Amino acid sequence: DAKTTQPTSMDCAEGRAANLPCNHSTISGNEYVYWYRQIHSQGPQYIIHGLKNNETNEMASLIITEDRKSSTLILPHATLRDTAVYYCIVRVARDWGGSNYKLTFGKGTLLTVNP
Amino acid sequence: GAGVSQSPRYKVAKRGQDVALRCDPISGHVSLFWYQQALGQGPEFLTYFQNEAQLDKSGLPSDRFFAERPEGSVSTLKIQRTQQEDSAVYLCASSSGRTGKTGELFFGEGSRLTVL
Repeated sequence: DAKTTQPTSMDCAEGRAANLPCNHSTISGNEYVYWYRQIHSQGPQYIIHGLKNNETNEMASLIITEDRKSSTLILPHATLRDTAVYYCIVRVARDWGGSNYKLTFGKGTLLTVNP
Repeated sequence: GAGVSQSPRYKVAKRGQDVALRCDPISGHVSLFWYQQALGQGPEFLTYFQNEAQLDKSGLPSDRFFAERPEGSVSTLKIQRTQQEDSAVYLCASSSGRTGKTGELFFGEGSRLTVL
């Protein structure tokens, strides 16, 4: 899996948008960008993933640059419950029978949402 | 069940004791993963099962670590002769391994092991 780089920590005011950046300059053409988050004392939780088009779901939006070397996870209206460590991961999506099934986590970004 | 269930949630062991950690994946999920998470770090891959077959155990840190999934559902991670460096949260995750939300792993809440 390609390596990702994320800031160690970020702060955001409650109700404002949280924009979490991720650099993945060595991403391969068949690798997706995944975002997971981990709230304190819980297991990681899937948020969203994408290949090259921007994606949106009920939790967040994912903006991937045209060259795919970086992406931004957007939480449009952050709440106190969004305080967590956010992990950006790149991997091949569909190769469950091969060697690329693993999610390789880095240290992620600790997002703290302040009241 | 509705989600991945792990037990025990907390385990304190004396150095040298054997421990067994259990994972009940989401019903019907083919793929099962174990991860180890040390304090302040991201989860680190330990091993992967597809049904009952252990396809990858490259992340197991030593031969004291052993995992099994004999009937392709429940899995047990066993640690023999525990050492202090084994203290960590052990996370289990499962996935359907099929199309759909490809790549989405569902994690349990983890088993926190403390070795004294």
